[in-house]
Amino acid sequence: RKEVEQDPGPFNVPEGATVAFNCTYSNSASQSFFWYRQDCRKEPKLLMSVYSSGNEDGRFTAQLNRASQYISLLIRDSKLSDSATYLCVVPSSGSARQLTFGSGTQLTVLP
Amino acid sequence: NAGVTQTPKFRVLKTGQSMTLLCAQDMNHEYMYWYRQDPGMGLRLIHYSVGEGTTAKGEVPDGYNVSRLKKQNFLLGLESAAPSQTSVYFCASSKLAGVSYEQYFGPGTRLTVT
Repeated sequence: RKEVEQDPGPFNVPEGATVAFNCTYSNSASQSFFWYRQDCRKEPKLLMSVYSSGNEDGRFTAQLNRASQYISLLIRDSKLSDSATYLCVVPSSGSARQLTFGSGTQLTVLP
Repeated sequence: NAGVTQTPKFRVLKTGQSMTLLCAQDMNHEYMYWYRQDPGMGLRLIHYSVGEGTTAKGEVPDGYNVSRLKKQNFLLGLESAAPSQTSVYFCASSKLAGVSYEQYFGPGTRLTVT
């Protein structure tokens, strides 16, 4: 099993739709999880951190299921500006605060 | 406060040529990282550093060398470039301690090796 696996998409949704992405991870010892956003040809930027069962920030909700080892990201009321690639990120089993990045899920919000 | 900067932004090399990518951060972060990103493969860690004067190998270190002579700078070297090293290279930094593992990324260097 890969350390982090994501559905690559693409997800094409109309404005205002609700969309959810899932991510599975293999390191059961991981305590914190992250969703990063990466715009086309730009650097990744932190979107949300998840330290317990979940986190909500406006239209974005991240949930964690430790028993099944998956993380989800829910985007409500999608905006055109939400179009990007969303990276699921999990701390690596090594030291030095290393992170393992999923290959990303591409989202396009259509007008 | 510029955050993390990288130079150059773009570069085209011929096979066998060498070059150095420079990463600089002004956030006083202890940890610094070099990644490469290829289509469909996500970010892969090349080398990292836990402090000035220390470096370690990541997932894909072959063909690269690094140095961290100053805390704020992390250099990535390609001694003899190969077409397989065509990629986008990102540098990142993070704090030594705290709850958050957030890494802050530079804007990337797009390298093409012909």
